[in-house]
Amino acid sequence: DIQMTQSPSSVSASVGDRVTITCRASRSISTWLAWYQQKPGKAPKLLIYDASSLQSGVSSRFSGSKSGADFTLTISSLQPEDFATYYCQQTNTFPYTFGQGTKLDIK
Amino acid sequence: QVQLQESGPGLVKPSETLSLTCAVSGDSITSNIWWGWVRQPPGKGLEWIGQIYHSGTTNYNPSLESRVTISVDRSKNHFSLKVSSVTAADTAVYYCASHIAQSGIFHWGQGTLVTVS
Repeated sequence: DIQMTQSPSSVSASVGDRVTITCRASRSISTWLAWYQQKPGKAPKLLIYDASSLQSGVSSRFSGSKSGADFTLTISSLQPEDFATYYCQQTNTFPYTFGQGTKLDIK
Repeated sequence: QVQLQESGPGLVKPSETLSLTCAVSGDSITSNIWWGWVRQPPGKGLEWIGQIYHSGTTNYNPSLESRVTISVDRSKNHFSLKVSSVTAADTAVYYCASHIAQSGIFHWGQGTLVTVS
């Protein structure tokens, strides 16, 4: 299986901060990477697909990029509703695998 | 807009079979979409279980493949999950989901907690 390693596991930030979350794949996944946001008691929500494509209806303060083996989710200016857990998922090779999650909370 | 709704027992006894159904609305189950399942044990991360195309083609997580069956019912516009020989480790929130090609999971059900006890 392809291992997806997210960092950091948790991060504290303030409203207005810029935050980056990184996901590294254990082997090449091309650009087959998605990012999800999950709030407590809710289903995950797709933010970014194909590494950098913004899902319809998602705020433009979310962006995704790839550099080598590293994929990054950036939130440009944190809003109160952004405090949640974020997961990456590779969809290059079965079984599709998720990162362990990054919990973003309020500083 | 695709909407997904899981249904099924919330409590299953050890060694028995967990059975869930996902009702699809807002689109046909014969669309160019892969229908699948993801689970999340309480307080833990997400695990991809598998997916099915309306033709019946399936892809499963090898860690569960010997115990999992995903099927589709075109007449009812729904798809189903069965996990046999369950143990406490199968206790989780189970989400049904729709995948568009390889581009990730675009729609999720609200999730249903299944407890094995």
